Amino acid sequence: EAAVTQSPRNKVAVTGGKVTLSCNQTNNHNNMYWYRQDTGHGLRLIHYSYGAGSTEKGDIPDGYKASRPSQENFSLILELATPSQTSVYFCASGDLGQSNSDYTFGSGTRLLVI
Amino acid sequence: AQKVTQTQTSISVMEKTTVTMDCVYETQDSSYFLFWYKQTASGEIVFLIRQDSYKKENATVGHYSLNFQKPKSSIGLIITATQIEDSAVYFCAMRENSNNRIFFGDGTQLVVKP
Repeated sequence: EAAVTQSPRNKVAVTGGKVTLSCNQTNNHNNMYWYRQDTGHGLRLIHYSYGAGSTEKGDIPDGYKASRPSQENFSLILELATPSQTSVYFCASGDLGQSNSDYTFGSGTRLLVI
Repeated sequence: AQKVTQTQTSISVMEKTTVTMDCVYETQDSSYFLFWYKQTASGEIVFLIRQDSYKKENATVGHYSLNFQKPKSSIGLIITATQIEDSAVYFCAMRENSNNRIFFGDGTQLVVKP
């Protein structure tokens, strides 16, 4: 079954430290996405990718970098983590080629920056 | 401007009744895709149903159906015969055909009471 796997599931980081969140998909999807979700809010797009080697800025890219080294993997990088980046991060993948295809989400990574 | 708006923050219904959740969207594209997702208490985000803008027939999957009113830019989710396990946060989302970005509403919390 197609899946999106995020690691780690939980992470505690120190302010100013570097954090890398990883996402792997077995769907062979071209498009991948990174969102953050804060309490009581919807999903806000940070970065996305059309395929290996490509990254695009979403709505809130400041303080984040992304890397898509392969079709399967898409990473989100916080070079200098700040407490305001404490959130739950979701990765998703999807292509809309088939009539009822959709976007598949990972289980999320809970990040606490102290 | 927010592309997807869900005005209902929270809805409470009795089990086995029908509930409708509202969603309006904003787009200049003539072709677009609309989705509803469910986020469970554990945080998992699950795809429910999809409506393509060019399709006149409302999508139906199990006890989920859509009320697509294109002239009003509205895509309501209807859940019939609600069950306790339908209690969750429901997100409406849109993807324009001209780009790969997906916009989410802020979600509607549904509570189904026995």
